[in-house]
Amino acid sequence: AQKVTQAQTEISVVEKEDVTLDCVYETRDTTYYLFWYKQPPSGELVFLIRRNSFDEQNEISGRYSWNFQKSTSSFNFTITASQVVDSAVYFCALSEIQGGKLIFGQGTELSVKP
Amino acid sequence: DAGVTQSPTHLIKTRGQQVTLRCSPKSGHDTVSWYQQALGQGPQFIFQYYEEEERQRGNFPDRFSGHQFPNYSSELNVNALLLGDSALYLCASSLGQGLYEQYFGPGTRLTVT
Repeated sequence: AQKVTQAQTEISVVEKEDVTLDCVYETRDTTYYLFWYKQPPSGELVFLIRRNSFDEQNEISGRYSWNFQKSTSSFNFTITASQVVDSAVYFCALSEIQGGKLIFGQGTELSVKP
Repeated sequence: DAGVTQSPTHLIKTRGQQVTLRCSPKSGHDTVSWYQQALGQGPQFIFQYYEEEERQRGNFPDRFSGHQFPNYSSELNVNALLLGDSALYLCASSLGQGLYEQYFGPGTRLTVT
């Protein structure tokens, strides 16, 4: 069965600190996609990244970076120099290559204080 | 370019009633998926529609049904509402039945009293 675990329920940091959100997944599939979504208080899930299981290269997009390690089944997300606007719930998700059904973790609530 | 839209924004129903939620996908998308998000939880997959047919279904009872129209918009119907159906219902659209990333709408907050 597929499963995504985000062990950190809540994280609180002060602005400009770096913060890493952990994600561990389980799947029997050899090919799959991994995702991160952001959910601000408004409720709408905002797509951040999709990573194919073939590609273990780390990715950086501005202050965001992602570390995919297939050997440990982890797909961690780091925000560098956090800002108050980064405050939100962040979800990690997994899907099969075909079909698109997303399996979400429980989410990590990030609070960035000024 | 309009994103995914959902209606209504909020809804209050009584136990036993029936409800219909609506979703219009992002322009150019042909696949719609529905998710239920209980308070403090991650979204749970309900089902996916592609080419007007249900293609995948999560672990939800038959009280949850849906439809996709020729213009790719979709409806989610829930019959015999239970208190436990209170949640945020999210619609996501994508292209090609999951080959590409899913974009979510703002959701419909359903409260069952």
